[in-house]
Amino acid sequence: KNEVEQSPQNLTAQEGEFITINCSYSVGISALHWLQQHPGGGIVSLFMLSSGKKKHGRLIATINIQEKHSSLHITASHPRDSAVYICAVSRSGNQFYFGTGTSLTVIP
Amino acid sequence: NAGVTQTPKFRILKIGQSMTLQCTQDMNHNYMYWYRQDPGMGLKLIYYSVGAGITDKGEVPNGYNVSRSTTEDFPLRLELAAPSQTSVYFCASSYSRAGNEQYFGPGTRLTVT
Repeated sequence: KNEVEQSPQNLTAQEGEFITINCSYSVGISALHWLQQHPGGGIVSLFMLSSGKKKHGRLIATINIQEKHSSLHITASHPRDSAVYICAVSRSGNQFYFGTGTSLTVIP
Repeated sequence: NAGVTQTPKFRILKIGQSMTLQCTQDMNHNYMYWYRQDPGMGLKLIYYSVGAGITDKGEVPNGYNVSRSTTEDFPLRLELAAPSQTSVYFCASSYSRAGNEQYFGPGTRLTVT
């Protein structure tokens, strides 16, 4: 069993829709990270959070430490949001565990 | 700042050949990491370094070696390449303590045939 599980694996949405990607983890963590991987392969860090909620533009990330669960929301989705979204957790001792990613396609 | 750079972008190796994947960062980050990404799998940590002269194994270190002689550079060496090492390799760096935001390089796509 993976330490980090994401759902759904694949997601197709119409432009303008509200999108939610979920992440569950099974280990104690120091922080949770949301990453974006573009079709060209580059990986960009979107959020790092250890409690509560963060917002950046149309992206919102939340975490519930007690439930070991995080969500990434995209409001007013746009085709340029099409990418793979990866959840990762960091632990003490330089350990990072990554989910397998959620592939999002936003159709115009 | 260029951030994290990796060379080469693509490489095809024959079984048994060796090569070095280069990684350089210009952000004066202490922590540097090497990951591999296989289709349908999450990123796996190969090796990491917490500063010049200090390296340690990650989850999947077999078949690889690293060195960290400077803060900026963290090369990954493949000795006796095997088909199982066909993957996309990412270098990343972060400032200060582990768990901080990581900055990723563009990746190296390696095929071993």
